[in-house]
Amino acid sequence: QLQLQESGPGVVKPSETLSLTCAVSGDSFSNSRYFWGWIRQPPGEGLEWIGSISYSGTTYYSPSLRSRVTISVDTSKNQFSLKVKSVTAADTAVYYCARYNPYHFDYWGQGTLVTVSS
Amino acid sequence: QSALTQPASVSGSPGQSITISCSGTSSDIGRYNFVSWYQQHPGKAPKLIIYDVTKRPSGVSDRFSGSKSGNTASLTISGLQAEDEAAYYCGSWMSNNTPYVFGPGTKVTVL
Repeated sequence: QLQLQESGPGVVKPSETLSLTCAVSGDSFSNSRYFWGWIRQPPGEGLEWIGSISYSGTTYYSPSLRSRVTISVDTSKNQFSLKVKSVTAADTAVYYCARYNPYHFDYWGQGTLVTVSS
Repeated sequence: QSALTQPASVSGSPGQSITISCSGTSSDIGRYNFVSWYQQHPGKAPKLIIYDVTKRPSGVSDRFSGSKSGNTASLTISGLQAEDEAAYYCGSWMSNNTPYVFGPGTKVTVL
């Protein structure tokens, strides 16, 4: 059974960079069919797709976040990462990683809350 | 603001059927059969319940069904149960520039 687990700091200061990692356990990480994505959900609000990456490193980003977001993959560790720079309070959210099985997200991590606060 | 439109809330009594709509345009929902639906209970991660408009993942109750007409996709929950009270999000592939978008979500209340 595929499992995804997010990890990273729970609090980030304004103007700094938010960094999260998603560890993937299971044998589909290297399958070129799939992409690996990040989705976030501000408290009390809806889901927002941030971006996705393939095993080979091809990336797609949400136009609204493209200028501040970088997603990378570490194939040796079966994990992928998210960086959001110059964060503000508006970036406070639960961040989920998920597998993108064209054209839907079929496996999700449990999510991790990141609060932007000084 | 999402490119997809959903009603903010829908309610129904146990045993009834309810339908949640997800409206897009002729360039996204109307053009491709790539609509998916997610169920999210409070404090939990979203769960995929419908993909490619009508398909159900293994283990998802057949009380959940999906359809599409023109630029609008729909999720129907039949035989509504208390456990169906949750938020429901549609999602769709949009374009190469914006590969994925979620709808704003619909809160389902079981009366």
